Order: sequence, then structure tokens, then C-alpha cells
Amino acid sequence: AQTVTQSQPEMSVQEAETVTLSCTYDTSESDYYLFWYKQPPSRQMILVIRQEAYKQQNATENRFSVNFQKAAKSFSLKISDSQLGDAAMYFCAYRRASGTYKYIFGTGTRLKVLA
Amino acid sequence: GAVVSQHPSRVICKSGTSVKIECRSLDFQATTMFWYRQFPKKSLMLMATSNEGSKATYEQGVEKDKFLINHASLTLSTLTVTSAHPEDSSFYICSASSGGGADTQYFGPGTRLTVL
Repeated sequence: AQTVTQSQPEMSVQEAETVTLSCTYDTSESDYYLFWYKQPPSRQMILVIRQEAYKQQNATENRFSVNFQKAAKSFSLKISDSQLGDAAMYFCAYRRASGTYKYIFGTGTRLKVLA
Repeated sequence: GAVVSQHPSRVICKSGTSVKIECRSLDFQATTMFWYRQFPKKSLMLMATSNEGSKATYEQGVEKDKFLINHASLTLSTLTVTSAHPEDSSFYICSASSGGGADTQYFGPGTRLTVL
């Protein structure tokens, strides 16, 4: 069975600095998708970034980028130039490429941004 | 694009009554919808997956007769909590995917259910 692990329950970053959130996963599949979602205090889940496993290139969305290491089964999220609005819970999620479409979520990392 | 709404955002009910929560995809056809439950400071727990026009697939440990899911159209799924009890109090979140090869789920804003 697939599992997703986020080993950092909480992280802090100074405003304008860079922070990296860790995510590792376990799967025997070769093709799959990985996601980072943000859940601010409003509790609305917001897609931050997605990665297709068959793509070597790391996904980037403005200040958000990932370091996808397929062999190591690692999918970390880097947030550059951190802003106060980045403060939220961040969830890493895995989805198989075929068959069931359900996500496997990690336990989340709470990010605090210090002014 | 890819907006999902949920109604109501908050509901308080008495023990023993039933509560219906609606999940709508506003600008796309949602072949597949998912229902999650989230406890405070915890991750999302998948309750069931529903495909339009067919019966929902429930996760292990989720009572089918208690949490009734209907996905009658490509834009609407409903979750009915039957005979609600205080332990059913929680934050319920739906998500929708256009299915097929589409990989991304889009989430609703959630519904806070309080059972007195």
C-alpha cells in the first residue's frame, strides 16, 4: 500500500526567506502524480503545485518549486521569498496514475511565517 | 476555473436528526467526487468516492448506512449524515475531479457540522 510521510509537524520561516517542506512516499508504481496543497485558517484546500512522476523536470509555480527525487521517493516543496499569506497547513498527496483516483495524504506541516 | 462549492458552510443539529451537505462543481463536470472528514489539526480522511450515476465506494470503517452519498448529476453530490450523534461532529470536505485521465482534485470550502 502507498504511504506518504511528512516528518515536520511544524516549521517556521522569516518573512522574505526561503523554507523547504519535506515529503517522502512509498509506492511500487512507476507512474503517479504528486501534489502539494495549502490549507490556510479558512480551511479551504488550495492546490499549490503538482508533479507528474514520468516528468524529470521539477514543477515550478512562481515562488513555489519542488525537488522531485523519484529514486529516493522524495518530493519536497520550496517556498521562496516567504510571505505572511503563506502561513498555513501544507499537505503532500500522492495519486496513482491509473485505477483508483483517490489521494493518499500526508499528515501535514504547519508553516508559520514570522514578520 | 475549477470551482467547487459546498452548502451549508456550517450546520448545527440535534442528536438523532439527519443532515444533508451539498457539493457542487460550478464550472466543470465532475465525474468523480470525494468526501473527506477532517478532525482538528489532523489530515484529511477519505470517507468515500462517488462516480456519477453509480454507487459510492466507501473506505474501510465508514458506515454506509450512516453516511449516505448520492452523485446524481455531473455537478452535484450530496452527503447525508443520518441519525447524527455528537461523535459525528466534524469538518466535512468534498472534492471533485473531472475523472478519466484528470489527476487533480478541486476542493470545496468545507462544512462544519455540530451535533448537540
